Amino acid sequence: AQTVTQSQPEMSVQEAETVTLSCTYDTSENNYYLFWYKQPPSRQMILVIRQEAYKQQNATENRFSVNFQKAAKSFSLKISDSQLGDTAMYFCAFMNHTGANSKLTFGKGITLSVRP
Amino acid sequence: DTEVTQTPKHLVMGMTNKKSLKCEQHMGHRAMYWYKQKAKKPPELMFVYSYEKLSINESVPSRFSPECPNSSLLNLHLHALQPEDSALYLCASSQVPLTGNGYTFGSGTRLTVV
Repeated sequence: AQTVTQSQPEMSVQEAETVTLSCTYDTSENNYYLFWYKQPPSRQMILVIRQEAYKQQNATENRFSVNFQKAAKSFSLKISDSQLGDTAMYFCAFMNHTGANSKLTFGKGITLSVRP
Repeated sequence: DTEVTQTPKHLVMGMTNKKSLKCEQHMGHRAMYWYKQKAKKPPELMFVYSYEKLSINESVPSRFSPECPNSSLLNLHLHALQPEDSALYLCASSQVPLTGNGYTFGSGTRLTVV
């Protein structure tokens, strides 16, 4: 079974600064996907960024980038130029690459607060 | 249309009531999911439907009854709930088989059982 660990329950960052959210996972699979989801107070889970395990290049989406270390089973999210709208709960998630019954496994989440 | 729409957004029900939550998507996704989420916790999977058939039931109490009438619609029927069932109920959908796009989530129904 896969596990996803987010060991930091809360973080705070000053607006315009950079923050890194940590995530580690455990799996015996070789092909899989990793995701970061954002859940603001509006409640909707929004996909922030995804990474395919077989791609060595780290994914980037505008101000969001990941540091994917496959051997270390680490998948951290870096948010650059933090904005007030980044205040939310962030979940790291793992998914098998294939399989009819593949499902997302979530970490416990981290609450990020961006200070003005 | 790239959305999952959930109704109602808020629901208050008594322990003897019967109510239903509705979820709809028009992205052609053939898998749909119900999750339960408590405050400051990750979503917990309840049910998975694949091609309108129930494929996963995560040992959910029978007071929760899912239904998938067609490929676009997913319902969750509620009956005789307990106060501890108060939570945010999230619906999601995905392609089958799953792809790197992951799931698309709705904005949830906030359920309060009194």
